[in-house]
Amino acid sequence: DAGITQSPRYKITETGRQVTLMCHQTWSHSYMFWYRQDLGHGLRLIYYSAAADITDKGEVPDGYVVSRSKTENFPLTLESATRSQTSVYFCASRLGAGNQETQYFGPGTRLLVL
Amino acid sequence: AQTVTQSQPEMSVQEAETVTLSCTYDTSENNYYLFWYKQPPSRQMILVIRQEAYKQQNATENRFSVNFQKAAKSFSLKISDSQLGDTAMYFCAFMKHGGGANSKLTFGKGITLSVRP
Repeated sequence: DAGITQSPRYKITETGRQVTLMCHQTWSHSYMFWYRQDLGHGLRLIYYSAAADITDKGEVPDGYVVSRSKTENFPLTLESATRSQTSVYFCASRLGAGNQETQYFGPGTRLLVL
Repeated sequence: AQTVTQSQPEMSVQEAETVTLSCTYDTSENNYYLFWYKQPPSRQMILVIRQEAYKQQNATENRFSVNFQKAAKSFSLKISDSQLGDTAMYFCAFMKHGGGANSKLTFGKGITLSVRP
């Protein structure tokens, strides 16, 4: 039972490069999310997806692109990385079922932009 | 927009003692969920406890319980018999009821809890 996985776990890149962070879930949850975690801000939503081919912006979407061609995958792309995008990125999926309403998180990807 | 406030950045507790972590939130919604997540040094986000706003009874999960005061918009977490493994950052989070944009979590800034041996 793999649950939700992210790759890579650690990434160092340079300003201006394109970077893609991968997220895969095995539960067939409809909803998936990308959050970033920064000191002093907690976790903030970047993008979310309600189903395959349905995505929408969250609180801090600028500089990011997402896609969802398959239910189980939700990649996040930084088109031209900037230093302000140095952060820890978490993918999550949602089990929305009344009293079992929960979001499950992947292990995170630590990204350093030099 | 919803906001979640965790005003205490750090707390410390002696092993085996009880500690309470505070959280307040602001919303005009009547139906929603509240959560506490734990983030240990591994950085994995782990669900600790969930509360449905329509339930008056406070949620409990083993050593973890909440004090949910809907009118006061307060949602504190009590950890009983604290263990060294409870050392972590704890986040309070809010989610509206329903789908679409309602399904996102709004987090507080977190509190770092240290359990002393």
